[in-house]
Amino acid sequence: EAQVTQNPRYLITVTGKKLTVTCSQNMNHEYMSWYRQDPGLGLRQIYYSMNVEVTDKGDVPEGYKVSRKEKRNFPLILESPSPNQTSLYFCASSLNGYGYTFGSGTRLTVV
Amino acid sequence: AQTVTQSQPEMSVQEAETVTLSCTYDTSESDYYLFWYKQPPSRQMILVIRQEAYKQQNATENRFSVNFQKAAKSFSLKISDSQLGDAAMYFCAYLRGSQGNLIFGKGTKLSVKP
Repeated sequence: EAQVTQNPRYLITVTGKKLTVTCSQNMNHEYMSWYRQDPGLGLRQIYYSMNVEVTDKGDVPEGYKVSRKEKRNFPLILESPSPNQTSLYFCASSLNGYGYTFGSGTRLTVV
Repeated sequence: AQTVTQSQPEMSVQEAETVTLSCTYDTSESDYYLFWYKQPPSRQMILVIRQEAYKQQNATENRFSVNFQKAAKSFSLKISDSQLGDAAMYFCAYLRGSQGNLIFGKGTKLSVKP
């Protein structure tokens, strides 16, 4: 089944403890993106990647890192999480940038 | 910078009736795509419909159709014969050319009354 898989689905962590949210797609898509969703703000792009080793900042990149060493994987790294990064996170992928498939989301709580 | 505005935070419709969700956007580009995504309580993001800016014909997918007014930069979603399963958050989104940056509106929460 074609899909975007994010893990974990739920995560509670403490301020400052490094964490990684994984994202993997099995559709051989070129484009991958990370979004965060906050109430009343919609979804905002954190980082995106147009191919292996090619990444760029979205609208809200502060406090996040990404890497794209393989086409299928695009992990999101929070080096030192803070409470304002408590949010719902989505990974998405696209073959050509024109239509995205989203993962099921990761609910992150930083206390 | 491109922006997407959904002016209706919440809407309500009676089952079997028709409802229209509004979306406006701001861009100086001529080549772009517009989308409506549905997010039910399961929080999954589901693509409802897509419109290419170069196409004058409005997109239609079963009970879902759009009214795309390029000059007015308006992209509304019409849901006909509303069903209980249509209750969800609906997000309008803009994609600039092929840069892969989807810009979302803040969403409209649709309730469907039986």
